[in-house]
Amino acid sequence: DGGITQSPKYLFRKEGQNVTLSCEQNLNHDAMYWYRQDPGQGLRLIYYSQIVNDFQKGDIAEGYSVSREKKESFPLTVTSAQKNPTAFYLCASTIGTGSPYEQYFGPGTRLTVT
Amino acid sequence: KQEVTQIPAALSVPEGENLVLNCSFTDSAIYNLQWFRQDPGKGLTSLLLIQSSQREQTSGRLNASLDKSSGRSTLYIAASQPGDSATYLCAVNSPGTGANNLFFGTGTRLTVIP
Repeated sequence: DGGITQSPKYLFRKEGQNVTLSCEQNLNHDAMYWYRQDPGQGLRLIYYSQIVNDFQKGDIAEGYSVSREKKESFPLTVTSAQKNPTAFYLCASTIGTGSPYEQYFGPGTRLTVT
Repeated sequence: KQEVTQIPAALSVPEGENLVLNCSFTDSAIYNLQWFRQDPGKGLTSLLLIQSSQREQTSGRLNASLDKSSGRSTLYIAASQPGDSATYLCAVNSPGTGANNLFFGTGTRLTVIP
């Protein structure tokens, strides 16, 4: 079955620690995205990557970092500089980048920082 | 910047009723509009994608319409069932700072009462 996997489903961290969220896709999609979802707000774009070894900041990139060393993988690191990291994080992908393609989403990771 | 609004924020209906969910957007220059379903604590499932040149799309009991000039889309659900209970999100793909730049509404939480 093709799809997007995110792990873990729930993640708990102490304040001041960096944490990395995993996102893997086997859809052979070129582009991948990270969103953050907070109660009462729409999804907000953190980072996106159109191709391996390249990525761009979204609307709320501060306090986050990403890498794209492989086409299938787009991990997100939430650093200690992120002031309010507790949220639901969603990874998505699209088949290409030259046209507005349909986005496919993973199941999400809920991060709680105390 | 594109803004997407979904009203109402929550809706309860008895089983069997037909219902309409609304989505409005401020900038009519869009590539497409997607409707998603999100169950509690889960990722997003794409329901329908309407290209800017289309007026509507249908999938089973779901019908989505698009009026680009007035900045509105509706999602019609026929003969609602308790299994339709979820949050429904619309997202607009607009020319922006990156490929496939999606702008999300905050969603309508639907409860279908048996």
